[in-house]
Amino acid sequence: GAVVSQHPSWVICKSGTSVKIECRSLDFQATTMFWYRQFPKQSLMLMATSNEGSKATYEQGVEKDKFLINHASLTLSTLTVTSAHPEDSSFYICSARGGGVDTQYFGPGTRLTVL
Amino acid sequence: GQQVMQIPQYQHVQEGEDFTTYCNSSTTLSNIQWYKQRPGGHPVFLIQLVKSGEVKKQKRLTFQFGEAKKNSSLHITATQTTDVGTYFCAGPESSYKLIFGSGTRLLVRP
Repeated sequence: GAVVSQHPSWVICKSGTSVKIECRSLDFQATTMFWYRQFPKQSLMLMATSNEGSKATYEQGVEKDKFLINHASLTLSTLTVTSAHPEDSSFYICSARGGGVDTQYFGPGTRLTVL
Repeated sequence: GQQVMQIPQYQHVQEGEDFTTYCNSSTTLSNIQWYKQRPGGHPVFLIQLVKSGEVKKQKRLTFQFGEAKKNSSLHITATQTTDVGTYFCAGPESSYKLIFGSGTRLLVRP
């Protein structure tokens, strides 16, 4: 149980375009979903927390107008990187928490490369 | 804000040797969680420790939570090549938010 999927697994885009990443909890209802960014050989940095049906809470230094988060249902959250630039290239990982447990279950991640 | 540090940053061992990574929090934690991330992969939950002084074992892995609930360790006995990856500890900053440690990257020479 506790499977989280992400789509796409990797994406290459041109600078200035927008990219949408989906995060789904497949076998449980995720009351809370988290979006992290991880640069090579670094730790996970929390970008934002989203609860179903409410606005996301962004961490300090994360531009909410650039990283749009929508948590439309208990099984789906999306992260849209708007007007992507090469410095946005990173590994984006979502996690989900729900089912009455504190543990976060991570998706497989999306590797974004902006040319 | 709360900080979670891990040492060492990196360790290269011969297969069969033991390995330990240490995690220290700037604040007392209600629990500590450990994750493993294989190269190119995503973090996978290993275990959660809640009680002061708690020790848990998973086969060759031994996890400890300090008496003051500010530090933790992960010890691997007789490492294998399948143990390769980065090990992260994580502690809750609030009821829902996890702060991840800097990670310890383990390489195992066959």
